[in-house]
Amino acid sequence: GNSVTQMEGPVTLSEEAFLTINCTYTATGYPSLFWYVQYPGEGLQLLLKATKADDKGSNKGFEATYRKETTSFHLEKGSVQVSDSAVYFCALSPFSGGYNKLIFGAGTRLAVHP
Amino acid sequence: EPEVTQTPSHQVTQMGQEVILRCVPISNHLYFYWYRQILGQKVEFLVSFYNNEISEKSEIFDDQFSVERPDGSNFTLKIRSTKLEDSAMYFCASSGPPSRDRGPYSNQPQHFGDGTRLSIL
Repeated sequence: GNSVTQMEGPVTLSEEAFLTINCTYTATGYPSLFWYVQYPGEGLQLLLKATKADDKGSNKGFEATYRKETTSFHLEKGSVQVSDSAVYFCALSPFSGGYNKLIFGAGTRLAVHP
Repeated sequence: EPEVTQTPSHQVTQMGQEVILRCVPISNHLYFYWYRQILGQKVEFLVSFYNNEISEKSEIFDDQFSVERPDGSNFTLKIRSTKLEDSAMYFCASSGPPSRDRGPYSNQPQHFGDGTRLSIL
């Protein structure tokens, strides 16, 4: 079946620290992979995506590379800010003709302190 | 940038009552979804909707739930007889047609609304 596993949080970092949030997946076929972010009191926002192996998604200083050999899509940022404090969700979408549910990981809460 | 809008932002209702959660997806999108997130837990898929019919639903989406696209813009989720355990944040999402970008076809990302917090008393 299809599933997503994320590292458990919370992750607590100081401002300007390096961030890695691990995400691995199980899927058949050619899934698309996504990172969504949820700021306190808000909905889910797409952070970045990758649709095929070796693609790198990037946005707002965050990056993730679609690694088919290790079935991973780890999120990284070189220097976090207090404003990055949020819950980060890794998700996959198995392709089956255009519509498909997103399968989310459990989410990882990031807290960045000044 | 176009966005998905949901109303109301917060709905409080008595157990056993019917509720309708409303969503206006992005106008040129073809695929519509509902998800829910119980406080502090994972976001869970409820149902997907395409071409005026349900394309997939989860185990959570039992006979108490229904979806409808009553006109060209709205997409609603109805819970017929609410239970305490229906208390959650409900998210609507929409996505465009699949694309082929120098590779195999892939799904477009889903764009989410800000959610409706449903509180059952």
